[in-house]
Amino acid sequence: DADVTQTPRNRITKTGKRIMLECSQTKGHDRMYWYRQDPGLGLRLIYYSFDVKDINKGEISDGYSVSRQAQAKFSLSLESAIPNQTALYFCATSDLRAGGPGTYNEQFFGPGTRLTVL
Amino acid sequence: SQQGEEDPQALSIQEGENATMNCSYKTSINNLQWYRQNSGRGLVHLILIRSNEREKHSGRLRVTLDTSKKSSSLLITASRAADTASYFCATALGGKLIFGQGTELSVKP
Repeated sequence: DADVTQTPRNRITKTGKRIMLECSQTKGHDRMYWYRQDPGLGLRLIYYSFDVKDINKGEISDGYSVSRQAQAKFSLSLESAIPNQTALYFCATSDLRAGGPGTYNEQFFGPGTRLTVL
Repeated sequence: SQQGEEDPQALSIQEGENATMNCSYKTSINNLQWYRQNSGRGLVHLILIRSNEREKHSGRLRVTLDTSKKSSSLLITASRAADTASYFCATALGGKLIFGQGTELSVKP
């Protein structure tokens, strides 16, 4: 079984609808992340969480919200979807590993959710 | 705004040739990582180089880091058709990764 799973894998919805994307992990990592990827672009960070009680905005959080229900679950919501939120969404996890200098923060990615907003 | 910029944006080579991708970044880093993405799929971590390292090898991959120039390169030797993918550099900063826009590599058999 995959270590990081995302549901749904594909979703088509209409403008104004509320959408929730879910991410679960079995890696036992504390840190979880949500990214979006647009064609020809790299990944941009939406929200991240370093533990269950910690939620932080990323580069492009407007129009999105998140919930960290447990160490293993991190959900991303679009309260009122709009067409420019059409993108590929990835969840990732990491485990802080200290080692000088700084931390490693290697990230493990889910398979992605392809979201289309009409 | 993205920290890393990659060059070239696209690269097409023949099987057996070497592929070199470059990444430049703007601020101080803890480490720099390279990821691979097959079309439409999740990213897979390839290699990490810490800020006090200058070169690192993993199989057919060789990564260099020049912190004075704020740049890194990824070399894939003896490329294979299966290496066809997008490659992203990512800089680690404050517990987050900042990704470049990627290099799309096509290896023709």
